[in-house]
Amino acid sequence: KQEVTQIPAALSVPEGENLVLNCSFTDSAIYNLQWFRQDPGKGLTSLLLIQSSQREQTSGRLNASLDKSSGRSTLYIAASQPGDSATYLCAVKGVTGGGNKLTFGTGTQLKVEL
Amino acid sequence: EPEVTQTPSHQVTQMGQEVILRCVPISNHLYFYWYRQILGQKVEFLVSFYNNEISEKSEIFDDQFSVERPDGSNFTLKIRSTKLEDSAMYFCASSGERGNYGYTFGSGTRLTVV
Repeated sequence: KQEVTQIPAALSVPEGENLVLNCSFTDSAIYNLQWFRQDPGKGLTSLLLIQSSQREQTSGRLNASLDKSSGRSTLYIAASQPGDSATYLCAVKGVTGGGNKLTFGTGTQLKVEL
Repeated sequence: EPEVTQTPSHQVTQMGQEVILRCVPISNHLYFYWYRQILGQKVEFLVSFYNNEISEKSEIFDDQFSVERPDGSNFTLKIRSTKLEDSAMYFCASSGERGNYGYTFGSGTRLTVV
C-alpha cells in the first residue's frame, strides 16, 4: 500500500528565504507526482505535475524534482513571500489499481512572515 | 482555464438524512473522482468513475455511498444516511486520461452533519 510522507509538518520562515519541502513515497510504481497548494478551508490548486520519466519541473519561483527510484520529491520555493503561506501537499498517482487514484501526504504548513 | 465546479460550497444536514453533492467536471475529461478531507487529516480517496462505472473504490466507500453521472455534464456523490463522522470537505476531481495526466480539483463542498 502506498504511503506518502511530508517533512517538515510545519515551517515558518522570514520573507525572502529560499526553502525546500520534502515528500517521500514507499511504492515507486507511479505514473506521476503532483504538488498542490491548499489555503485554509479551500480547495486544492495544482502547482506542478512531474511525470515518472521526468526529473524536474519549474513554474515561476517553484521547482519540483523527482527521484522515482529512491521515492523522493522536493519542492523548492525561491524568494518566499507572505502570499506563499499555505499548506503544500504532494500526491502520487499509482500504477496499481484500476482507478488511477492519488495518494496524498499529510502536507507541510508554511508560514512566511514579513 | 477550465475548472471543476462543485455545489453547494457548504451544506449542513441532520444525522440520518440523505445528501447529494454535485460536481461539473471538465468537459473533455474521462476520469472522475471523489475525495474527502476530514478536518486536520489527509485527503483520502473515495471513488473513481470511468466509462459510466466505478473503476476503483476505497474501504470508506461503503453501501451508504453512491455515485452517478446522470447526464453528460454532472457527477454526483450521494450519502444515503449521513453520520456525524461523514462531516468533512468533499472534493470532486477529473483527469483527461489514465496514466500521465494530472488532476484538476474543484473547490470542495464542506459537509457538516449535526
